[in-house]
Amino acid sequence: AQSVTQLGSHVSVSEGALVLLRCNYSSSVPPYLFWYVQYPNQGLQLLLKYTSAATLVKGINGFEAEFKKSETSFHLTKPSAHMSDAAEYFCAVSEDTGFQKLVFGTGTRLLVSP
Amino acid sequence: DAGVIQSPRHEVTEMGQEVTLRCKPISGHDYLFWYRQTMMRGLELLIYFNNNVPIDDSGMPEDRFSAKMPNASFSTLKIQPSEPRDSAVYFCASSFLGTNQPQHFGDGTRLSIL
Repeated sequence: AQSVTQLGSHVSVSEGALVLLRCNYSSSVPPYLFWYVQYPNQGLQLLLKYTSAATLVKGINGFEAEFKKSETSFHLTKPSAHMSDAAEYFCAVSEDTGFQKLVFGTGTRLLVSP
Repeated sequence: DAGVIQSPRHEVTEMGQEVTLRCKPISGHDYLFWYRQTMMRGLELLIYFNNNVPIDDSGMPEDRFSAKMPNASFSTLKIQPSEPRDSAVYFCASSFLGTNQPQHFGDGTRLSIL
């Protein structure tokens, strides 16, 4: 069964610094991978998704993620953090098994200081 | 375009009362999902539907919880009787067919059982 592990429940960066949020997955078949963002009192919004077309995926708000099969990773990055990026970020995985389910990680809260 | 619409946004009720949460998925989507989010347990999938038919309800905590989807544009999640431990944020999401399709979330219902 597929699973995801997000390292670090909290990540703190300064405004303008690099953002790196880690996600490792486990899957017995080629996975589909997603990053979602959740702002306070809101639902989850899709940031980007990997569906095997390209290993480097660009998303909204300047975020991108790179799929590395050898490392079973799908880390999320942004070159320069903005105060508005403060939120909780979730990595999720699904498999092309016919079961339309996403398995979510436990989330990483990004804190951005001035 | 209208997203997933949930109502009410907030619900406060006393233990033992019946609670009904409502969801209108995005028009044309084939799948509808109900999730629960708490600090302790994170994001949990409760049940999901395909073309109005329940596919997997293994995440429903107990018989007090029930969900229906009478048509393609409406679903309910009911708790009867409610208990304080049911307090959480409940999300509805919908998606097109395909495990590479992202799920689109509503803004959730924050439920407090006193």
